[in-house]
Amino acid sequence: KAGVTQTPRYLIKTRGQQVTLSCSPISGHRSVSWYQQTPGQGLQFLFEYFSETQRNKGNFPGRFSGRQFSNSRSEMNVSTLELGDSALYLCASSGRDEQFFGPGTRLTVL
Amino acid sequence: GENVEQHPSTLSVQEGDSAVIKCTYSDSASNYFPWYKQELGKRPQLIIDIRSNVGEKKDQRIAVTLNKTAKHFSLHITETQPEDSAVYFCAAIIQGGSEKLVFGKGTKLTVNP
Repeated sequence: KAGVTQTPRYLIKTRGQQVTLSCSPISGHRSVSWYQQTPGQGLQFLFEYFSETQRNKGNFPGRFSGRQFSNSRSEMNVSTLELGDSALYLCASSGRDEQFFGPGTRLTVL
Repeated sequence: GENVEQHPSTLSVQEGDSAVIKCTYSDSASNYFPWYKQELGKRPQLIIDIRSNVGEKKDQRIAVTLNKTAKHFSLHITETQPEDSAVYFCAAIIQGGSEKLVFGKGTKLTVNP
């Protein structure tokens, strides 16, 4: 059974640009959650999608958005990038109980 | 909303000693408490979890205890080895609703050979 995959693994952008990250969950999992990990703030919840609907949202500005497709793959988008958006973005795939993380996308904003 | 506090932030032990990491949570409705291990440059990996209907769970050298009354849970690693060195995160979640994990800030464990 394939694990959670995320693309791209690394990304460098400049301030003001936008970025789209992709996550493919474990086959059969319908819930995908997104987290931002930074040294200062730790792991913070961004949002969760289930069956193409956003089910929960964390305390991030509207520049952070996401969506989920009918095959459960999810994308998150960050518009008007700021230096503080530099982070590791992790998605997690949820089945009946546990959450399994993807390898993450390392975003650097210059 | 849920808030999870984790202590200590750093922990250094000698190989073979035990290590204990403690977390407290605020929402009494939380019913699932996973622990993740994250090695440098890698993704968090689920190492053990406990549900609110259980007081203790053990898996080889790793154990987790839960005190629902006090709203705290702890990770115990016995006979530590250098490969146990990593950052450990506790988390809490209310299962049955949305899958929103609230994480502690993490504990950097260093096992000295």
